[in-house]
Amino acid sequence: KAGVTQTPRYLIKTRGQQVTLSCSPISGHRSVSWYQQTPGQGLQFLFEYFSETQRNKGNFPGRFSGRQFSNSRSEMNVSTLELGDSALYLCASSLVPGSVEQYFGPGTRLTVT
Amino acid sequence: DQQVKQNSPSLSVQEGRISILNCDYTNSMFDYFLWYKKYPAEGPTFLISISSIKDKNEDGRFTVFLNKSAKHLSLHIVPSQPGDSAVYFCAASGTGNNRKLIWGLGTSLAVNP
Repeated sequence: KAGVTQTPRYLIKTRGQQVTLSCSPISGHRSVSWYQQTPGQGLQFLFEYFSETQRNKGNFPGRFSGRQFSNSRSEMNVSTLELGDSALYLCASSLVPGSVEQYFGPGTRLTVT
Repeated sequence: DQQVKQNSPSLSVQEGRISILNCDYTNSMFDYFLWYKKYPAEGPTFLISISSIKDKNEDGRFTVFLNKSAKHLSLHIVPSQPGDSAVYFCAASGTGNNRKLIWGLGTSLAVNP
């Protein structure tokens, strides 16, 4: 069974631009969560989607948004990029929402210059 | 404020010896704890978990101990192998419909041959 895939793996953007990251969960998994990982803050929860609905949201500004499609694939978008948005963005999938045992993709490394 | 703390950023151990990774938490509502392992350029991988109704859970070379009164858990790896060299994250989850993982900053383990 294929694992969680994320595209692109690496991305360089400039301040003020917007970016869209994509995540395909493990087949059969319907819940997708997004995390931001930075050296000083560790993994910070962004949001969780299930059945195309956002179920849970972390403490991030409205510039961070996401959506989920009917095939469970998910995208997250960051608008008006800031230097501090440089991070590894991880997607995790699970069978059901609220599951704490999650399966992570390799992440997208975003660099904002 | 970090609710889940891994106070040792790094740990170095000789192959064959025991590795002990520690984790402290502050929120007494946490009822489920997990350890994840992360290799460079990969997402975290679930390793082992423990419910608050237990004080020990074992899986092969990996054992997690939970001391609820001290709000402390530890991961023991015996014997340590070079392939165990990775960053280990402790994570905790509370109860309810909106449970989400709260992560520590990680401990980088180096197992030397």
